Amino acid sequence: ETGVTQTPRHLVMGMTNKKSLKCEQHLGHNAMYWYKQSAKKPLELMFVYSLEERVENNSVPSRFSPECPNSSHLFLHLHTLQPEDSALYLCASSQDRTSGPTTGELFFGEGSRLTVL
Amino acid sequence: QKEVEQNSGPLSVPEGAIASLNCTYSDRVSQSFFWYRQYSGKSPELIMSIYSNGDKEDGRFTAQLNKASQYVSLLIRDSQPSDSATYLCAVNAAGNKLTFGGGTRVLVKP
Repeated sequence: ETGVTQTPRHLVMGMTNKKSLKCEQHLGHNAMYWYKQSAKKPLELMFVYSLEERVENNSVPSRFSPECPNSSHLFLHLHTLQPEDSALYLCASSQDRTSGPTTGELFFGEGSRLTVL
Repeated sequence: QKEVEQNSGPLSVPEGAIASLNCTYSDRVSQSFFWYRQYSGKSPELIMSIYSNGDKEDGRFTAQLNKASQYVSLLIRDSQPSDSATYLCAVNAAGNKLTFGGGTRVLVKP
């Protein structure tokens, strides 16, 4: 198993659909992240879960709903999205330190390419 | 003002030459600095981290940090076609939040 696995790799959905993205990490990490990567824009942090608790919600619209049932799994539930939400959604994991600066070492999945029609 | 700024490129470099990538950041309290490499159609991977002023070398890569100027750079020596990718600068101020720049696309021509 690769370190961080994302499914599906490609998703096309209409604006009224409900779908979910799934992420699974096999690295024993204690933090998981959702990032959005759009063309010609920097990686945008969406959500952070540390020890299964959401510690960051970066002003993301409510049509995106994260879920972290355990430290190995992360979901992003999608509902009534807009065409501008079409992007690459990247999941990442890391091992957080209890003190001191983060190592900054994020392990990314291959991403889910989302197209909203 | 962008928090982490990079020239988008492309930076075209002949094979064997040195590629020099620059990154500036706006938050003076930033503590940790990272370079990620992202091949086309792939996910980012960490290649360098630097925490204190000065140079840090790892193989053909050298990261340089100047906190007073809020500037971090990456040098790639003896550039190879396999180094062709987008290089993302990331900065961490506090906690576990990384802020990424838009990336610099590097093309190494044989």
